[in-house]
Amino acid sequence: QLVLTQSPSASASLGASVNLTCSLSSGHSNYAIAWHQQQPEKGPRYLMKLNSDGSHIRGDGIPDRFSGSSSGAERYLTISSLQSEDEADYYCQTWGTGIRVFGGGTKLAVL
Amino acid sequence: QVQLVQSGAEVKKPGASVKVSCKASGYTFISYGITWVRQAPGQGLEWMGWISAYNGYTNYAQKFQGRVTMTTDTSSSTAYMELRSLRSDDTAVYYCARDYKYSSGAEQDYWGQGILVTVSS
Repeated sequence: QLVLTQSPSASASLGASVNLTCSLSSGHSNYAIAWHQQQPEKGPRYLMKLNSDGSHIRGDGIPDRFSGSSSGAERYLTISSLQSEDEADYYCQTWGTGIRVFGGGTKLAVL
Repeated sequence: QVQLVQSGAEVKKPGASVKVSCKASGYTFISYGITWVRQAPGQGLEWMGWISAYNGYTNYAQKFQGRVTMTTDTSSSTAYMELRSLRSDDTAVYYCARDYKYSSGAEQDYWGQGILVTVSS
């Protein structure tokens, strides 16, 4: 079964960097994922597609402070030079034939 | 620029149906699909289903099978999602997002602004 697992919360200081993790279920380590950001009281915004080899393509207008990497079944979102507007929920998402799956989301607090 | 513009908020009674729309612009509608996602208050994102604007094929999440119908009108570049037999726990914001035209899927790279559907007696 295709499942994505995320930690419920994370925190980091203004100006620092943070890594968010998304774990693919067993047998799905070669899947690409997407990262989406949802700021408070707003809809989701696509950040990037992240492949299993770590290559990634950012969405339109997404700054290069947002980057991705992969290791096995783990997919990472790194946000550098944290800004207050980065405080948001971050969702990973993947897909297969006939199915789309979202992780439970990570709430990021910028201290 | 790519835009997905959704219809306005809805208030429905339990047992009723709701049909929401998602009008696409800025790209060739039939070259993509549309995914529908909902978010209950304070909860995460939940995938409901997908429709290809290319050939009309659909995939629905098992949870919504028999209660949801997704359609498209290619003449107006609009996707529709109808949910029937509404219950109070269907109260949520409903989003459309651009997807791949085939069932194999891809990232959802553009999102609509969301529609709040409230189910209350």
